[in-house]
Amino acid sequence: AQSVTQLDSQVPVFEEAPVELRCNYSSSVSVYLFWYVQYPNQGLQLLLKYLSGSTLVKSINGFEAEFNKSQTSFHLRKPSVHISDTAEYFCAVSDWGAGGTSYGKLTFGQGTILTVHP
Amino acid sequence: DGGITQSPKYLFRKEGQNVTLSCEQNLNHDAMYWYRQDPGQGLRLIYYSQIVNDFQKGDIAEGYSVSREKKESFPLTVTSAQKNPTAFYLCASSGRVVTDTQYFGPGTRLTVL
Repeated sequence: AQSVTQLDSQVPVFEEAPVELRCNYSSSVSVYLFWYVQYPNQGLQLLLKYLSGSTLVKSINGFEAEFNKSQTSFHLRKPSVHISDTAEYFCAVSDWGAGGTSYGKLTFGQGTILTVHP
Repeated sequence: DGGITQSPKYLFRKEGQNVTLSCEQNLNHDAMYWYRQDPGQGLRLIYYSQIVNDFQKGDIAEGYSVSREKKESFPLTVTSAQKNPTAFYLCASSGRVVTDTQYFGPGTRLTVL
């Protein structure tokens, strides 16, 4: 069985400061990794995903995440945050080694609330 | 515009009543999912369907039921057997390839009075 742990439930930060949201996963097979963002009372939006190839993946709004297989981590970073980045962020994993029966089935972490202060 | 719609946005029900949440998608996706979100617990999978007329239980299916009679629709019924139904419910859909992104609806907030 796979699981995802987001190490911080809340991360407060000042505007223009760097931020890192931590995510660790456990799985017995190879995985795909995702970061989603949720603004208050809305659904989730995909921020970025790692499927294969380069271990560093980037979003269009300045976030990036690095897949580290040896540490089973997929931490999300941004060098300079903006007030509009205030939201809850979810790390998720999907495994592809289960004979095709679990495709698309995501396991989510508990979420990290990022609050950017002026 | 393509997307996923959920209705209603807010729903109130009395204890002992069944209630059905609607989810419709026009993305031509084969797979659809229902998640429950509680503060500090992330999202937990209730049911998912990979094709019309077929669905599987997720991690917390007890007290819920679904149907998948049409490709674009995947309604969720919260029955009176669900002990703690107050939560935010999210519907999602995706293609059938494991690398396909799941797209989420705006959610329905259910409150049991």
